[in-house]
Amino acid sequence: GQQVMQIPQYQHVQEGEDFTTYCNSSTTLSNIQWYKQRPGGHPVFLIQLVKSGEVKKQKRLTFQFGEAKKNSSLHITATQTTDVGTYFCAGRAGGFKTIFGAGTRLFVKA
Amino acid sequence: GAVVSQHPSWVICKSGTSVKIECRSLDFQATTMFWYRQFPKQSLMLMATSNEGSKATYEQGVEKDKFLINHASLTLSTLTVTSAHPEDSSFYICSAISSSGGGNQPQHFGDGTRLSIL
Repeated sequence: GQQVMQIPQYQHVQEGEDFTTYCNSSTTLSNIQWYKQRPGGHPVFLIQLVKSGEVKKQKRLTFQFGEAKKNSSLHITATQTTDVGTYFCAGRAGGFKTIFGAGTRLFVKA
Repeated sequence: GAVVSQHPSWVICKSGTSVKIECRSLDFQATTMFWYRQFPKQSLMLMATSNEGSKATYEQGVEKDKFLINHASLTLSTLTVTSAHPEDSSFYICSAISSSGGGNQPQHFGDGTRLSIL
């Protein structure tokens, strides 16, 4: 069945350093979504990518969707302590069913 | 923005009890809702897709008779954990997709229900 792999599992950074998490699907995706979950909270939708090669930015966050629509990345420039949390990618291969990656837990040291 | 309310937020009960969790879309209609289970520090595991007016679609390995799902209206889906045992203790989260907009709609999550079975 469809699988979505996400790396790294966790990352510790110093405040101000950059951070990137990568997502790879076993099948071509119709779209990919990114969510952030704070400790004790629920996932919050960040963005959705639909087009091949698409790049979207939200302030310090840059999201990319691969040309083959099988991989994606989230890059955070100059991390802040408020960026702490787990970032999940979630892919759809068709329809509404969404498969989540394992998540990358980000720790930011002030 | 789209709001999903999930109730209760936490439950502690004895083994053998059945527990019902409600998921409501407050300001939009949701033909499709999802139920996930999340273990500590792990990803969301899709349990089932709840479709308004029809039977839920369960993922492989999820017991239909154990986790009863009812989606009786466009704004409410319920998950009942029947005869719960300690191994059912987990964080259960629902999400809903707006009925309008097609396949590119994002999921909006409830706050989750922390279930502890003693």
